[in-house]
Amino acid sequence: DAKTTQPTSMDCAEGRAANLPCNHSTISGNEYVYWYRQIHSQGPQYIIHGLKNNETNEMASLIITEDRKSSTLILPHATLRDTAVYYCIVRVADGSSNTGKLIFGQGTTLQVKP
Amino acid sequence: DAGVTQSPTHLIKTRGQQVTLRCSPISGHKSVSWYQQVLGQGPQFIFQYYEKEERGRGNFPDRFSARQFPNYSSELNVNALLLGDSALYLCASSLFPGMNTEAFFGQGTRLTVV
Repeated sequence: DAKTTQPTSMDCAEGRAANLPCNHSTISGNEYVYWYRQIHSQGPQYIIHGLKNNETNEMASLIITEDRKSSTLILPHATLRDTAVYYCIVRVADGSSNTGKLIFGQGTTLQVKP
Repeated sequence: DAGVTQSPTHLIKTRGQQVTLRCSPISGHKSVSWYQQVLGQGPQFIFQYYEKEERGRGNFPDRFSARQFPNYSSELNVNALLLGDSALYLCASSLFPGMNTEAFFGQGTRLTVV
């Protein structure tokens, strides 16, 4: 079962920052927060991940609250090509093997508008 | 560099038949995971393999099986196909299994069972 809650859909104006929220109130101490996006039923594309510190890369920034119960993905200057389904995922340890499996929820459909 | 490659891209099978899907990970990646994505839902974890051993298994029936070869490529087999097995099957590769490692997805194999 997914351990995250996201809004079903969001709109963003082209050129503006897109802020996608995610709640993961039951996250455990060793579980990471991952963000992926999926465009037109292509394979999911990795965006960013983090444990407790804020992270930034060339695609986005990830802001994790101090209690780790929620996070926000920030796309600083959204373009039309950023229209996609965005998945906030808690990577869960699979039993004793510590194998990290990705548990996807329903995701947020982000529509970037001109 | 080539990304994760999956074959075939599309196929159609009849109920009761068997199917084999193939995945080649990114060069240097030793872990492969399989996911099933039914239309309108997020991907669901099926298996993870590392160094030719199964390291994780999702909630799927025994009709689903997989293996990993010495070159780290992988096959997913599904026996006795049902209509409900129609889905996009995704393969993801990562350097190793674990909580703090990016997984990169292929474009998937679209399986239609009729």
